[in-house]
Amino acid sequence: EGHLVESGGGLVQPGGSLRLSCAASGFTFGSYEMNWVRQAPGKGLEWVSYISSSGSNIYYADSVKGRFTISRDNAKNSLYLQMNSLRAEDTAIYYCARRPTAAPFDYWGQGTLVTVSS
Amino acid sequence: DIQMTQSPSTLSASVGDRVTITCRASQSISSWLAWYQQKPGKAPKLLIQKASSLESGVPSRFSGSGSGTEFTLTVSSLQPDDFATYYCQQYNSFSRTFGQGTKVEIK
Repeated sequence: EGHLVESGGGLVQPGGSLRLSCAASGFTFGSYEMNWVRQAPGKGLEWVSYISSSGSNIYYADSVKGRFTISRDNAKNSLYLQMNSLRAEDTAIYYCARRPTAAPFDYWGQGTLVTVSS
Repeated sequence: DIQMTQSPSTLSASVGDRVTITCRASQSISSWLAWYQQKPGKAPKLLIQKASSLESGVPSRFSGSGSGTEFTLTVSSLQPDDFATYYCQQYNSFSRTFGQGTKVEIK
C-alpha cells in the first residue's frame, strides 16, 4: 500500500522561499503521476501543480504559476515543490497526492503546514 | 478552466437520513468525476471515481451518479462516521478542480 510523507513546511516571511518534499514508499513511484494540493485554514481544497511520471509534463494553477516549481527524483522516490515569492494567501496545508493514469488522487500524504507571515 | 460548483455548502442531517449532494461542472467532463470525504485534521479520502465507481472498502450506502455536467453523491442512511466534509473533483483536464465542499453536520 502506498505511503506519502510531506516535509519542509514552516513559518516564512512574505517574499520568502520554501521547498517542500514528499517521500513515497510502498509503490513504484516512477510509474505514477503526482500532484500538490493545498488547503488554506478553514477553506476547501485547491489543486496546485501536476507532474507526469517521467517529469516531462508539468502544469500549475494560475495562482502559483511563475512562483512555484514542481519536480521529482524517481531514483529517490521523492516529489518536490519549490515555492518562491511567497504571499500571505499561500498559507495552507500542502498535500502531495498520487494519481494513477486516468484516475483521481488515490493516496494522499498527511500534509505539511506553510505559514506566510511577518 | 473548468469550474465545479457544489450544493449545498452545509447540510444538517440526522443518523439514518438519506442525503444527497450535487456537483455541477461548467462544461462537460463526461464521467471524470471523483468524490472525497475529509474529516478534521485528516487528508481527503477517495470514495468514488468515474462518477459512480465505489472505491474498495467504501460502504455501499455511498453511491454516485451523473455524467456530463451534473453529478450527485448520495448516502442512503447516514451513519455517525459519515459526518464530514465532501468534495467533488473533476479530472477531465489537467487543472484538477475541486468543488468548494459540502459539510455534513449533525442536526
